[in-house]
This record gives sequence, C-alpha cells and structure tokens, in this order.
Amino acid sequence: NAGVTQTPKFQVLKTGQSMTLQCAQDMNHEYMSWYRQDPGMGLRLIHYSVGAGITDQGEVPNGYNVSRSTTEDFPLRLLSAAPSQTSVYFCASRDSYYYGYTFGSGTRLTVV
Amino acid sequence: AQKITQTQPGMFVQEKEAVTLDCTYDTSDPSYGLFWYKQPSSGEMIFLIYQGSYDQQNATEGRYSLNFQKARKSANLVISASQLGDSAMYFCAMRETPNTGANSKLTFGKGITLSVRP
Repeated sequence: NAGVTQTPKFQVLKTGQSMTLQCAQDMNHEYMSWYRQDPGMGLRLIHYSVGAGITDQGEVPNGYNVSRSTTEDFPLRLLSAAPSQTSVYFCASRDSYYYGYTFGSGTRLTVV
Repeated sequence: AQKITQTQPGMFVQEKEAVTLDCTYDTSDPSYGLFWYKQPSSGEMIFLIYQGSYDQQNATEGRYSLNFQKARKSANLVISASQLGDSAMYFCAMRETPNTGANSKLTFGKGITLSVRP
C-alpha cells in the first residue's frame, strides 16, 4: 500500500547509544520531514528535505542528523541518545502539487 | 511568538451536539494553508480539513467545517453531531509557503483534547 512507512514502532535505548529511525515513502514525494511530539508541545519540526541530497534544519535539530540519498528514504539518526530525546517521532511527506501531507504511524522512543 | 495558538486545554461535548475548537494563527505571508488533524489514542495523525488563504468559501468535509476568519486570523474547526469516536486530540497547523513549492514546512499548535460524553 502506498504511504509512509516508519520503523521501528517502539524502541528503548540507553543513554549514549546510537540508532537510526527509518522512514520510507513510495509516492515519489519530494518533501519529507521529521517531527517529534511531546506532551503539551504539539509536533515540532526536527529536519526536513526538499529532495534527494537536500536537507535543512527545523525548529529542534540538536542531537539529530539526517541525509537524503534517495527520493524514497529519509532516515533520522541519533548519534548519542539522551533522555530528553524520549518522544514520539513522526515522518511526513508531501507532493509539491498537492496540499496534503502523508504521515507515518510514528515511532515511540524511550531513552533510559 | 507562537505561530499557531490553541488555548483550550480540554473540551467536553455531549454526543450529537456540535463543538467548536479554536485556532488562531500569525503570519505575514499572504499565501498560506491551514490544516486540522485528529490524533486518536492509537496515535496516528488523521487529516481532517484544509483551508487555503485565498479560498473564498469556508472548507467543509462531511461533519467537519472550518470557520475561516482571515482578518481575525482564526481558523476554528466545527464538528457537527459529535460522535463517541470523535474523542481525540486535535491539532491545528499552518504552512506558510505557496502551494506549489517544495519548501513545505508545517507548524503545529499544541493541540486540544476533545472528550465526547454519551
């Protein structure tokens, strides 16, 4: 089924560990983005990409890295996890010619 | 300054009644889009309705309508005939760049919790 696929759905990390959250879409969308959701804060933009090879920072980029080597994939890397990165992470994509965004189902990350 | 403001911490409504969820926004861009999303307890983000800044009429999608007051910079969501399944968190969001652009950052409000009572 066409859409945005996020893996894993749940993850527990120890402080200092690294991991990559995966995001893939099969709709040929140019725009992809990562958000984190924390209680009472809504969704805040971490990083976004407007095409393969092009990425930029959002509102809360510290502690996260991204790259976009293909149109389909937009992984989010945590190089050294901290408890403050405990959150729910959403990936979203959009086609340039339609207003709507497609969201993945989210990854719930806990850093202990 | 917040770009999207949702100040109602929690709302309650009786089943079958209508409810309005408030959203105000701040932008100097003449071209923007406004969105409402629903997030049930299962966690997924469900798109409800969209209003473009140049749209002449208020957007409607089934039981959802958007009360767009451009001069007041408000974009309230109206849910008619509430159902128990409407109990969820609701987010207002805004995109400030033109519709046909790759740069498409979406800014969210903090959300409103709606509880529908039987």
